[in-house]
Amino acid sequence: DTAVSQTPKYLVTQMGNDKSIKCEQNLGHDTMYWYKQDSKKFLKIMFSYNNKELIINETVPNRFSPKSPDKAHLNLHINSLELGDSAVYFCASSQGFRASGNTIYFGEGSWLTVV
Amino acid sequence: AQKITQTQPGMFVQEKEAVTLDCTYDTSDQSYGLFWYKQPSSGEMIFLIYQGSYDEQNATEGRYSLNFQKARKSANLVISASQLGDSAMYFCAIANQAGTALIFGKGTTLSVSS
Repeated sequence: DTAVSQTPKYLVTQMGNDKSIKCEQNLGHDTMYWYKQDSKKFLKIMFSYNNKELIINETVPNRFSPKSPDKAHLNLHINSLELGDSAVYFCASSQGFRASGNTIYFGEGSWLTVV
Repeated sequence: AQKITQTQPGMFVQEKEAVTLDCTYDTSDQSYGLFWYKQPSSGEMIFLIYQGSYDEQNATEGRYSLNFQKARKSANLVISASQLGDSAMYFCAIANQAGTALIFGKGTTLSVSS
């Protein structure tokens, strides 16, 4: 059983399109995250939700909109995709929202390529 | 603000040897946690080990151990008896100031040869 699963794993799309990445965790965790890993492998937090409530919204363009229908799901919708959005997007979850002491478990990543 | 520095872009080691991956951090918090993750070429992020700032002992998990030196603000990962499967990128991370997410270093690529 995959603990944190995200779909699709690979996504190639044209500039200007709108796309979504879905994430589900079966760990019973309260907190979920979206991280972005750029071409230089640098990982940065984008959003986090605790029990469906937004906790973190880093400096991310408004074209990115997370949605958490319940605490086991956190989807990421991206409007008007740009070349610079090409990256690996990781969904993650943890038991609580205090990162110190709460291990964050990651999904396998979604490779987004915008052409 | 919290910061993680990994100064070794790449490390090379032979099978069965031990290797130390460096991590230094900056934080003004008294209580904090440090994490190490492994990212193999397949891309997933795998949690390896956690060290709390007030833990009296250095963390160990199988072949992984942390050389935690609080006064020097370093939390180096030691991998004993390296295996070919240890070839991957390794990231050190610390919680951000609000404690709501992890801040990652730039990573170290470890290559293990036979």
